[in-house]
Amino acid sequence: EPEVTQTPSHQVTQMGQEVILRCVPISNHLYFYWYRQILGQKVEFLVSFYNNEISEKSEIFDDQFSVERPDGSNFTLKIRSTKLEDSAMYFCASSEGPKTGTGRRGYTFGSGTRLTVV
Amino acid sequence: AQKVTQAQTEISVVEKEDVTLDCVYETRDTTYYLFWYKQPPSGELVFLIRRNSFDEQNEISGRYSWNFQKSTSSFNFTITASQVVDSAVYFCALSKFFGNEKLTFGTGTRLTIIP
Repeated sequence: EPEVTQTPSHQVTQMGQEVILRCVPISNHLYFYWYRQILGQKVEFLVSFYNNEISEKSEIFDDQFSVERPDGSNFTLKIRSTKLEDSAMYFCASSEGPKTGTGRRGYTFGSGTRLTVV
Repeated sequence: AQKVTQAQTEISVVEKEDVTLDCVYETRDTTYYLFWYKQPPSGELVFLIRRNSFDEQNEISGRYSWNFQKSTSSFNFTITASQVVDSAVYFCALSKFFGNEKLTFGTGTRLTIIP
C-alpha cells in the first residue's frame, strides 16, 4: 500500500532553536494532518490542512507552530523557538477526504519523527 | 465535542489467553467512524480497523474481532489466543463522517502478553 514518508525519524535540537519536520503524503490525498504524542500519552490532533490552508487547528497549535505545503508534494511542520515540552513523537497523516474516501484505512499515518529538545 | 474513553490503562495476560480491550465513545454526530490502532514499541501507528456508524456488524480478522454496539457507544476489541507479538499499546479513535475528519484518540491500553 502507498505510504506516508516522514523525515527525519529522530531529531535532537537545542531549546530555542527552530525545527522543520517533513512529510510526503500520499499523492492523491487531499487532507493532511499533524498529530503529536508526548511520551507515554495519547495521540493529540494539532492541525489539518486542505486546499492549501489550515482547515482546523487545536489549542496546542499556537503561534509557535506553522504548516506549509511548499511544493505540492511535501507537507511541513515548523516549530519556532522550541521548548523542552515540545519533545514528543510527531505524526503526519493524510486522507482522501472530505469523506476519508473509500479506502479501507481512511487515514494513512507516517512512521513519526521523534523530536527531542535539550 | 467528541471523546473516547479507554478505561483500562494496562492489561497483562498469559500467552494464549483471550483478552478484550474496551472503548467507549461520545459524539453528537449521527454518522461517524471508529478506529483501532496498534502502537508497538517501535512507535509507529499500525492501522487495525475502521468501522462506520452505519455498520453494526461485528468483524473478525484472524485472531482479532471487534464488537460495535451503538446502544452502549462501545467498540470493543478482542484478541483470541494472544501471542507475545500482540504486546503493544492499543488506541481507539473516533472521527466525523463528513467534513474535516480529525481523529480523536483515547488514552490507550498497554497490553502485555506474558510468555
